[in-house]
Amino acid sequence: QTVVTQEPSLTVSPGGTVTLTCASSTGAVTSGYYPNWFQKKPGQPPRALIYNTSDKHSWTPARFSGSLLGGKAALTLSGVLPEDEADYYCLLYFRTTQSWVFGGGTKLTVL
Amino acid sequence: QVQLVQSGAEVKKPGASVKVSCKASGYTFTSFGISWVRQAPGQGLEWMGWISGYNGNKDYAQKFQGRVTMTTDTSTTTAYMELRRLRSDDTAVYYCARDHANGADYWGQGTLVTVSS
Repeated sequence: QTVVTQEPSLTVSPGGTVTLTCASSTGAVTSGYYPNWFQKKPGQPPRALIYNTSDKHSWTPARFSGSLLGGKAALTLSGVLPEDEADYYCLLYFRTTQSWVFGGGTKLTVL
Repeated sequence: QVQLVQSGAEVKKPGASVKVSCKASGYTFTSFGISWVRQAPGQGLEWMGWISGYNGNKDYAQKFQGRVTMTTDTSTTTAYMELRRLRSDDTAVYYCARDHANGADYWGQGTLVTVSS
């Protein structure tokens, strides 16, 4: 069974920079996994932030950026704001099973 | 503007079935697929499957194979997700999302399905 792993929790200070990562049990994450990133707050549906590794939606704030880093997908937040406190999920596509798999999520605390 | 509006909350008994609808508007329904995702209480997001708005092709997560059916009605621009043989651990908020360029962009508001005897 394919497992996608994220840091369970991270803490960042307001105005700081933090990088969240997303790893696959099958090996290095490449652009062919079409990494997506979503922000999730309680009582709200997920909000799409990043697709195709690094592409932003029209509503994605400039402080969010996506990349590949050391065999993982990565989401970097620069100039973190208090409202960025949320759960963040990555999503990867696996061609072998033609299925998408979410990571377990990272709880980001802004403190 | 793009909107996905889902049907209301459901309470079901174990063993029953539930069918959740997702009414799409603001875009050409047949040009995009719809994915279904759920989140159980205190748990993470879980991808359930995808259906093409163009031709009805589907991919289901292996975990739900045999228990889930996704359909679309292009005349009403509505997608449906039916889950059968419900168990207590199927209690979750179910979301539909529009597929966009190898990902999902717009999401429905979510439908709470509670399975309880």
